[in-house]
Amino acid sequence: GENVEQHPSTLSVQEGDSAVIKCTYSDSASNYFPWYKQELGKRPQLIIDIRSNVGEKKDQRIAVTLNKTAKHFSLHITETQPEDSAVYFCAAANYGQNFVFGPGTRLSVLP
Amino acid sequence: DGGITQSPKYLFRKEGQNVTLSCEQNLNHDAMYWYRQDPGQGLRLIYYSQIVNDFQKGDIAEGYSVSREKKESFPLTVTSAQKNPTAFYLCASSIGAGEYEQYFGPGTRLTVT
Repeated sequence: GENVEQHPSTLSVQEGDSAVIKCTYSDSASNYFPWYKQELGKRPQLIIDIRSNVGEKKDQRIAVTLNKTAKHFSLHITETQPEDSAVYFCAAANYGQNFVFGPGTRLSVLP
Repeated sequence: DGGITQSPKYLFRKEGQNVTLSCEQNLNHDAMYWYRQDPGQGLRLIYYSQIVNDFQKGDIAEGYSVSREKKESFPLTVTSAQKNPTAFYLCASSIGAGEYEQYFGPGTRLTVT
């Protein structure tokens, strides 16, 4: 079955700097890769996703890149702000299959 | 808030008691899911249902049971057989299984003493 690894487990950056979180997956058939943000005590919320027919997707300060050959995808946050502090989860899924989530990255943006 | 609700927000029970967590959605989604989250941990799948009257075990189903009698509802029962039930429980729904966004409920924090 699918296995998703995520690095780093914790990440601290200065406000205004960029943050990058990387995930690798094992099942080459996976074709959907969402990223969720979870603030303390709250529900995870989708912030961006990418499908296997696309190499990169951007939404304002957030971007995701996908390398299908290497089976990894990354979340890039530019110009970080204190409100970006949260736990970020990546996931991989295929048609008809459940999400397999990574273990999460705790991002702290220091003012 | 995405049309998926969970109740209650906090739940306290004595060891040995069964407890049922509610999950309701008005998004007309076919698929529904239950996840468990422990402090500092990721999301582990307990049960999922792709259609009414059908559900499947996830990675950590032991000690839990579910039902899916209505499309809108997917209650989770934490039984006394669950050895370490204290956790944050999240329900989610999606249009279908696989490559569709999952919408999460606000969660129920269960404490068993």
